[in-house]
Amino acid sequence: NAGVTQTPKFRILKIGQSMTLQCAQDMNHNYMYWYRQDPGMGLKLIYYSVGAGITDKGEVPNGYNVSRSTTEDFPLRLELAAPSQTSVYFCATRQGLYSPLHFGNGTRLTVT
Amino acid sequence: EDQVTQSPEALRLQEGESSSLNCSYTVSGLRGLFWYRQDPGKGPEFLFTLYSAGEEKEKERLKATLTKKESFLHITAPKPEDSATYLCAVQPTMNYGGSQGNLIFGKGTKLSVKP
Repeated sequence: NAGVTQTPKFRILKIGQSMTLQCAQDMNHNYMYWYRQDPGMGLKLIYYSVGAGITDKGEVPNGYNVSRSTTEDFPLRLELAAPSQTSVYFCATRQGLYSPLHFGNGTRLTVT
Repeated sequence: EDQVTQSPEALRLQEGESSSLNCSYTVSGLRGLFWYRQDPGKGPEFLFTLYSAGEEKEKERLKATLTKKESFLHITAPKPEDSATYLCAVQPTMNYGGSQGNLIFGKGTKLSVKP
């Protein structure tokens, strides 16, 4: 039972490149979230999904896109990477709307 | 505006020296307050959920309490393995502007316990 698996662990992008951060879960949770964590800041919500085929924007969605075709996977797409997207990205799931979040171990992204 | 403030930003303790971490919050209504532990290079790990003022939860050397304005994470006789960043997050009863069920996170308290 792996929980929430994020790949890759580290990535360096050049300005203007694109990439997809992968998130997979084996807990059969409907709710999935993408957060970013910047030094000295609290976690900020980028996008979330309440089930397959349903996604919505969080606090800081600009520059990102998501899709949710299955319960298990919730990839985050970065188009035209910018230095402001340098951050650590965490995927999280929860069983119900008021349940605790379960986090993956993050992807550390640097854009130069 | 819903807000979560954690203090202190950093705390250094000697092994066995008990202390408390503070999480003060401002929300229109509280659905739940969550405590997480985060080790370097890892994702946050869930510790406790508190739902109403007066509620307390315990786990080993940690005890979380909740009032109407703040929560405390008490650490009794800490050990070096308790060193981590502790995050507090609140879930308001209403999320303005969408983001159903979103948690508002504090910036965390970095705890170091020296042997």
